[in-house]
Amino acid sequence: GAGVSQSPSNKVTEKGKDVELRCDPISGHTALYWYRQSLGQGLEFLIYFQGNSAPDKSGLPSDRFSAERTGGSVSTLTIQRTQQEDSAVYLCASSATSLRTGANVLTFGAGSRLTVL
Amino acid sequence: GQNIDQPTEMTATEGAIVQINCTYQTSGFNGLFWYQQHAGEAPTFLSYNVLDGLEEKGRFSSFLSRSKGYSYLLLKELQMKDSASYLCAVRAPHLTFGKGTMLLVSP
Repeated sequence: GAGVSQSPSNKVTEKGKDVELRCDPISGHTALYWYRQSLGQGLEFLIYFQGNSAPDKSGLPSDRFSAERTGGSVSTLTIQRTQQEDSAVYLCASSATSLRTGANVLTFGAGSRLTVL
Repeated sequence: GQNIDQPTEMTATEGAIVQINCTYQTSGFNGLFWYQQHAGEAPTFLSYNVLDGLEEKGRFSSFLSRSKGYSYLLLKELQMKDSASYLCAVRAPHLTFGKGTMLLVSP
């Protein structure tokens, strides 16, 4: 696609429920990232996928969080037994390296806003 | 660990010049990025520095000093649409973001 697509754009759930957030990256981008942004906070790195390599899960805040990337394209972030502190905007980004600058520039999706009641 | 500091808020007048500073302490360094984020929208890429010096791109310029762990974003000829949050981010190895500087441009 032309950009990074995320769904749902908004999700309201009850504490204790599981949620799935989906990310469809830019076609051809081999790297995919998940970040979350809480009110007044910076972007917090969660997980990184690069091609067929094992993902870097070092940013996941607890074992309630998991993510997978099927076929090297679409990714799903799953939060089990949601807590109120999980409320945030979850941003997905994909990247490719610029041939001109060598920079690995992330292109972000619009995010999924999660509210846990 | 990583630590990236930037001012929380800045205000400026339309047509003026504003400089947003960023200092960082990281283990490893592989480039510094500036992103712009309008309220309720995704961050968008503005600039990239990996070597010391100034990178200019239209009204926006970004400077890097690796020895000082310091960067700034310079915005010239400010416009109302420049009101946004400006995020400093360091790749070490993943892109680690500061909390952002909210810039308000007034008429």
